[in-house]
Amino acid sequence: EAQVTQNPRYLITVTGKKLTVTCSQNMNHEYMSWYRQDPGLGLRQIYYSMNVEVTDKGDVPEGYKVSRKEKRNFPLILESPSPNQTSLYFCASSFQVGGGTEAFFGQGTRLTVV
Amino acid sequence: GESVGLHLPTLSVQEGDNSIINCAYSNSASDYFIWYKQESGKGPQFIIDIRSNMDKRQGQRVTVLLNKTVKHLSLQIAATQPGDSAVYFCAENAGGTSYGKLTFGQGTILTVHP
Repeated sequence: EAQVTQNPRYLITVTGKKLTVTCSQNMNHEYMSWYRQDPGLGLRQIYYSMNVEVTDKGDVPEGYKVSRKEKRNFPLILESPSPNQTSLYFCASSFQVGGGTEAFFGQGTRLTVV
Repeated sequence: GESVGLHLPTLSVQEGDNSIINCAYSNSASDYFIWYKQESGKGPQFIIDIRSNMDKRQGQRVTVLLNKTVKHLSLQIAATQPGDSAVYFCAENAGGTSYGKLTFGQGTILTVHP
């Protein structure tokens, strides 16, 4: 089954404790991206990756890091989480951004930083 | 469900009616637009997309209209069903050096009454 898998689904952590949210896709997609979703703000892009070892900032990259060492994985790293990073996070993948290729989203990771 | 619906525009329709969801986009350079549907507790799902060299595209029960003059996008859903109840987001991509960046609108809540 074609899917994007995020882990964990729920996470409560304390300020300053490094954490990683994993994202994996089984569709051999080149494009992967991370978003955060906050009430009333829609989805905001954090980082994206056009292919292995190619990453770039989205609209809200501050406080986040990503890596793309393998095509299937695109982890999101919070080196020193703060309460304003409490949010719902989504990973997505597609063959490319434009041109009618369907994007697949993961189920989301609900992060709470206390 | 997730509290992503606070202060969003809402649209309520009766089952069987046609629905029109509107989106104003901001970047006149955007050349690719996508509509997503998000059900409570789930990640967004791709519905339909359109490139800027088109003004209309049809899918199964859905039609997207693009008016570049006024930077307006709409999603028409024919014969709306209770299963169409969700939050709907438009997204834009500017291409070029911003090829990987997707900017989402805040979303519209569609409620379909049986």
